[in-house]
Amino acid sequence: EVQLQESGPGLVKPSQSLSLTCSVTGYSITSNYWGWIRKFPGNKMEWMGYISYSGSTSYNPSLKSRISITRDTSKNQFFLQLNSVTTEDTATYYCARYARIYYYSSYIYYFDYWGQGVMVTVSS
Amino acid sequence: EIVLTQSPTTMAASPGEKVTITCHASSSVSYMHWYQQKPGASPKPWIYATSTLASGVPDRFSGSGSGTSYSLTINNVEAEDAATYYCQQWNYPPMNTFGAGTKLELK
Repeated sequence: EVQLQESGPGLVKPSQSLSLTCSVTGYSITSNYWGWIRKFPGNKMEWMGYISYSGSTSYNPSLKSRISITRDTSKNQFFLQLNSVTTEDTATYYCARYARIYYYSSYIYYFDYWGQGVMVTVSS
Repeated sequence: EIVLTQSPTTMAASPGEKVTITCHASSSVSYMHWYQQKPGASPKPWIYATSTLASGVPDRFSGSGSGTSYSLTINNVEAEDAATYYCQQWNYPPMNTFGAGTKLELK
């Protein structure tokens, strides 16, 4: 069974970096795409970015200057780093796997497995 | 960038009623995904590719739509359906967009 688990500090000071780890079991991160999504207080959900099976990345343009997603294939983990955080980055952070399905002559993607989420508060 | 607008934001229904949640895209898209999230839990895939129910989803749920308008419908809503539902789309350049969510409460 595919399982994802986020880990990292629950409290980060403003202007510092937020670093989270997603540990994956039951499936290799050298297949599929793997993403980070966050949910703000008040329910808004925001896609942050992904890392592909090959290690290529794509980021939400609104975060592009602050975000980095990397991986360690030997540990089957991928990572999120968000720099220069503010209180606006307070959220629950999820990692998730993309499922790929063939749909009307092209591939489309949705999130089929999610971690349990980690709440991160940015506060001094 | 495509913007997804869900309506209503919140709603209350009685058991047995029919419930419809809509998701309007700012530009025409070819499919929509839906997720269910309950308090304290992570989102679950619920309906993908507009109308395909994810594994374990009761068949009282259905999805439909095309172009800029998509919907999730629950026939004979049950207490366990109380949750927040999100629509979601992947568009290009690679960008995943979520709707703001619809919170369904049961009376």
